[in-house]
Amino acid sequence: NAGVTQTPKFRVLKTGQSMTLLCAQDMNHEYMYWYRQDPGMGLRLIHYSVGEGTTAKGEVPDGYNVSRLKKQNFLLGLESAAPSQTSVYFCASSYSVWGAPAEAFFGQGTRLTVV
Amino acid sequence: SQQGEEDPQALSIQEGENATMNCSYKTSINNLQWYRQNSGRGLVHLILIRSNEREKHSGRLRVTLDTSKKSSSLLITASRAADTASYFCATEQVGNEKLTFGTGTRLTIIP
Repeated sequence: NAGVTQTPKFRVLKTGQSMTLLCAQDMNHEYMYWYRQDPGMGLRLIHYSVGEGTTAKGEVPDGYNVSRLKKQNFLLGLESAAPSQTSVYFCASSYSVWGAPAEAFFGQGTRLTVV
Repeated sequence: SQQGEEDPQALSIQEGENATMNCSYKTSINNLQWYRQNSGRGLVHLILIRSNEREKHSGRLRVTLDTSKKSSSLLITASRAADTASYFCATEQVGNEKLTFGTGTRLTIIP
């Protein structure tokens, strides 16, 4: 049982390049989330999804796009990377209890550096 | 701005002592959760308390929730060196299904 798997684990991009981060979960969870973590800022929600085919904006969505074509996968795209997007990115998934997200399971993170 | 805010930002105590950290949030919630993060790793869920609950226990953890004050506290009793980590509260707000996190408390247990 792999849980939540993020790929890649590390990446260095040049300003203006694009890339896609992949998150895969094998727990049949409805909810999936993308966060970024910067020193002293905690986790900030970028985008999230409450089910296959749905996406919604979080707290810091600008510069990112997402897609959830399959229930088990949640993709985060950077169309034109900027140094301000240097961060550690975490994906999480959770199941629903009484119509609300319950315990979230996290991936191990992707460390992205934009130079 | 973030929904939750933990207090204190950092806490150092001797092994065996109790550690208390607090979380305040801004809007009505369905539930509040606490997570632990060891350096550089993903977050691990500790405990969930629903909005209609006031207190919950899990092993050495005790969580309280005061919805009138929009605050929660996490108590770790008889601390151990392995408890050294950052602790975050997360809230799921009424009316949407976002799960948003606070800024965290960095706990250091001194052997």
